[in-house]
Amino acid sequence: GAVVSQHPSWVICKSGTSVKIECRSLDFQATTMFWYRQFPKQSLMLMATSNEGSKATYEQGVEKDKFLINHASLTLSTLTVTSAHPEDSSFYICSARASLDRGRGGYTFGSGTRLTVV
Amino acid sequence: AQSVTQLDSQVPVFEEAPVELRCNYSSSVSVYLFWYVQYPNQGLQLLLKYLSGSTLVKGINGFEAEFNKSQTSFHLRKPSVHISDTAEYFCAVSDMSGGSNYKLTFGKGTLLTVNP
Repeated sequence: GAVVSQHPSWVICKSGTSVKIECRSLDFQATTMFWYRQFPKQSLMLMATSNEGSKATYEQGVEKDKFLINHASLTLSTLTVTSAHPEDSSFYICSARASLDRGRGGYTFGSGTRLTVV
Repeated sequence: AQSVTQLDSQVPVFEEAPVELRCNYSSSVSVYLFWYVQYPNQGLQLLLKYLSGSTLVKGINGFEAEFNKSQTSFHLRKPSVHISDTAEYFCAVSDMSGGSNYKLTFGKGTLLTVNP
C-alpha cells in the first residue's frame, strides 16, 4: 500500500534555530500534501495545504514566515520551523493525497515528528 | 464547511467486550467519511471509509461502521475488543466535490482503553 516516510521521527533543537521536517511519498505521486500539528491529547490541527509546484495555502492563524512549506516535487514536501521557540514544541504530522485520488482513498499519513525546543 | 463531533472523549472497556465509538457530522455538502486510528507517537492509520453504496462498511482489525444519513452519524463498532485496540480513534470527513483540496476535517478523537 501507499507509504509516506516522515523524518526525523523526533528532534530536539535550541531556541532560535531552524528545523526541517521531510515527508516523502515512497510509492505514489502526491499531488497534495497536508501538514498538521497535534498538541498532547488533542486532535490534529491543519496548518497548511501544499500542491506540487505551488505556494502552500496556510490556515488562518498559522504564521507563514515561521512555518515554511516547500513541495518541489510529487514525492517530497518539507516543513521548516524557523527560529523555533519552546511554544513550537509539538507533534507534527504530514499526510499525502495521490494525484488521481479525488479524496476517495483517504490519505496516507507519515509517522509524525516530535519536536522539542529547549 | 464541515464539522465533526465525537461525543465521547474517553471510552474504557474490558477485553472481549463490544464497543461503539460515536461520530456525528455536520455539512452543507455531501461528504466522504473516514475513521482513523492513532497509536502513541505515531501517525494515523485508515481503519475504514464510506464513499457510497452500502451503509455498512467493514475495515481492518475487525472494525465496522454504519453510515446513517438521516442522523448524520458514522459510528464505529467492534464486537469484541483486544488489549491491542487501545488507541486514539478519529472520525473525519472530506468534501466530496473537492472543496478545499479534499482536506480532512477531524473530530477531537476518542481514547479507547481496553482493560484486562
